[in-house]
Amino acid sequence: AQSVTQPDIHITVSEGASLELRCNYSYGATPYLFWYVQSPGQGLQLLLKYFSGDTLVQGIKGFEAEFKRSQSSFNLRKPSVHWSDAAEYFCAVTSGGSYIPTFGRGTSLIVHP
Amino acid sequence: NAGVTQTPKFQVLKTGQSMTLQCAQDMNHEYMSWYRQDPGMGLRLIHYSVGAGITDQGEVPNGYNVSRSTTEDFPLRLLSAAPSQTSVYFCASSYSGTSGRNEQFFGPGTRLTVL
Repeated sequence: AQSVTQPDIHITVSEGASLELRCNYSYGATPYLFWYVQSPGQGLQLLLKYFSGDTLVQGIKGFEAEFKRSQSSFNLRKPSVHWSDAAEYFCAVTSGGSYIPTFGRGTSLIVHP
Repeated sequence: NAGVTQTPKFQVLKTGQSMTLQCAQDMNHEYMSWYRQDPGMGLRLIHYSVGAGITDQGEVPNGYNVSRSTTEDFPLRLLSAAPSQTSVYFCASSYSGTSGRNEQFFGPGTRLTVL
């Protein structure tokens, strides 16, 4: 069965600092990978997704993620964090033939001024 | 487009009461699902549907019932509420074409408290 691990429950960064949120997946076939963001009191919104091709994908709000097959990882990055980026971030994976994504448990991002 | 809508936004129930959480989407998505979100547990799939008249169980289906009579609507029924069902509930939808590649569109959630 496919699984997604987000090893960091909470991440605290200062505004303007760089950010990397980790995501590791376990799945035999080629995965389809997603990052979602959940602002307080809101539903989830797609940040970016990877299916194939260029392993570095760009998303909304200045986020990017890199797919590394050898490490089974899909880490989310942002070069300079803004206070408005404080939110919960979820990594998710599906595969061909499955409509049902598996979500990680989420990483809560705290941004200090 | 309104996207995915959920009602109510907040609800308080007493143990043993029943209620229906409403979910509707106007994007003509075939696939719809219900999740519950609990602290430290991420999103857990309750039930899902790949089209009108077709539903299936997810990871945590006990105590919940669903039906899908139209493409647009996917209500979630709590048959006899228990305190363990206190949670935030999210409905999501997506296209089913090019399976697996389509993003989920989420509603704003329903915060349910069972006393």
